[in-house]
Amino acid sequence: EIVMTQSPVTLAVTPGEPASISCRSSQSLLHSDGNNYLDWFRQKPGQSPQLLIYLRSNRASGVPDRFSGSGSGTDFSLKISRVEAEDVGVYYCMQALQSPPTFGQGTKVEIK
Amino acid sequence: VQLVESGGALVQPGGSLRLSCVASGFTFSNYAMTWVRQAPGKGLEWVANIKQDGGDKDHVDSVKGRFTISRDNARNSVFLQMNSLRVEDTAVYYCAREGFSYDWNFDVWGRGTLVLVSS
Repeated sequence: EIVMTQSPVTLAVTPGEPASISCRSSQSLLHSDGNNYLDWFRQKPGQSPQLLIYLRSNRASGVPDRFSGSGSGTDFSLKISRVEAEDVGVYYCMQALQSPPTFGQGTKVEIK
Repeated sequence: VQLVESGGALVQPGGSLRLSCVASGFTFSNYAMTWVRQAPGKGLEWVANIKQDGGDKDHVDSVKGRFTISRDNARNSVFLQMNSLRVEDTAVYYCAREGFSYDWNFDVWGRGTLVLVSS
């Protein structure tokens, strides 16, 4: 199975400042159709996960444009241009290229 | 659009449990469905999925032979039959919808149901 590795484990950010989370896969997520099968989820405290970004860089419905995804192949990142208090939670990347879909271990975003 | 899980409980090792997830707000029969679990304080693990007509299913290796996913489109429901439960199966189990774009496009999630396996 494809192993997903995220960094950092914890990220403390000042409101209004940018934040970036890295995600690396053990094999390329670039499909022959040109898509990178990499998604991002956020899990707010006490809630279920929520889809943020799909296919590397597409924002899910209702996701603010301060969230952006980038990267290709095995290296990806999620960027928050200006962190807000409501952005706290654990962020997970997930590969959707092959079964079983696998998640990174998560990055906890905290507000300073 | 909503998914509501139920059926979680405290069960002894070796026991069985059947989880249910009822969907509303969308045409259930048009979507593949998935179960994802999260052990206490841990990350997310995909467990199983089932295609729209129920004919194609897949399970993660750690549950193969013990868990079975099924669905009833007339009742807008997906199920997870869990047998031979182990302590390591303790987790919150989430039901999720797979969007149209591609396999494992988890675009809607339920709130989850807690399964606790302990003697």
